[in-house]
Amino acid sequence: KAGVTQTPRYLIKTRGQQVTLSCSPISGHRSVSWYQQTPGQGLQFLFEYFSETQRNKGNFPGRFSGRQFSNSRSEMNVSTLELGDSALYLCASSLKVSTDTQYFGPGTRLTVL
Amino acid sequence: KQEVTQIPAALSVPEGENLVLNCSFTDSAIYNLQWFRQDPGKGLTSLLLIQSSQREQTSGRLNASLDKSSGRSTLYIAASQPGDSATYLCASVIPDNYGQNFVFGPGTRLSVLP
Repeated sequence: KAGVTQTPRYLIKTRGQQVTLSCSPISGHRSVSWYQQTPGQGLQFLFEYFSETQRNKGNFPGRFSGRQFSNSRSEMNVSTLELGDSALYLCASSLKVSTDTQYFGPGTRLTVL
Repeated sequence: KQEVTQIPAALSVPEGENLVLNCSFTDSAIYNLQWFRQDPGKGLTSLLLIQSSQREQTSGRLNASLDKSSGRSTLYIAASQPGDSATYLCASVIPDNYGQNFVFGPGTRLSVLP
């Protein structure tokens, strides 16, 4: 069974732009969670989607948004990029809710110049 | 607000040693606690999940324990190998206003020397 895939793997943007990251969960998994990882703040929870509904959200500004499609694939969008948004963005899927074992993708490395 | 800490921040041991990584959390009202490993530049790999009603979980050379009353979990690695070199993170899963929420510790960077 294929693992969690994330595209693109690397991305370079400039301040003020917006970006969309994509995550395809393991087949059959219905929960997708997103995380931001930076050297200073570590791993921080962004949001979780289950059956196309956002069921939980971390403490991030409204510039960070996401959605989930009927096939469980998920996208996250960051608008008006700031230098501090440079990070590794990780997506994880789980069979049911995020309290189950999570399986992580390789991440998207976003650099904001 | 849940806070998760991990001690030590980094650890270097010779191959074959048994070692213990520590994780502490401030809010004992957790659903479960999970341990992950992260290799450089890669995503996380789930190692063990301990439900709040459980005391420990084992997988091969790994054993994780949970003591909710003291807010502590430990990951024991037996007979360490160079391939165990990675960053180990613990995460507490807690309820919040919207549902469950993951709070990760900063990680312990482990180096196992041949």
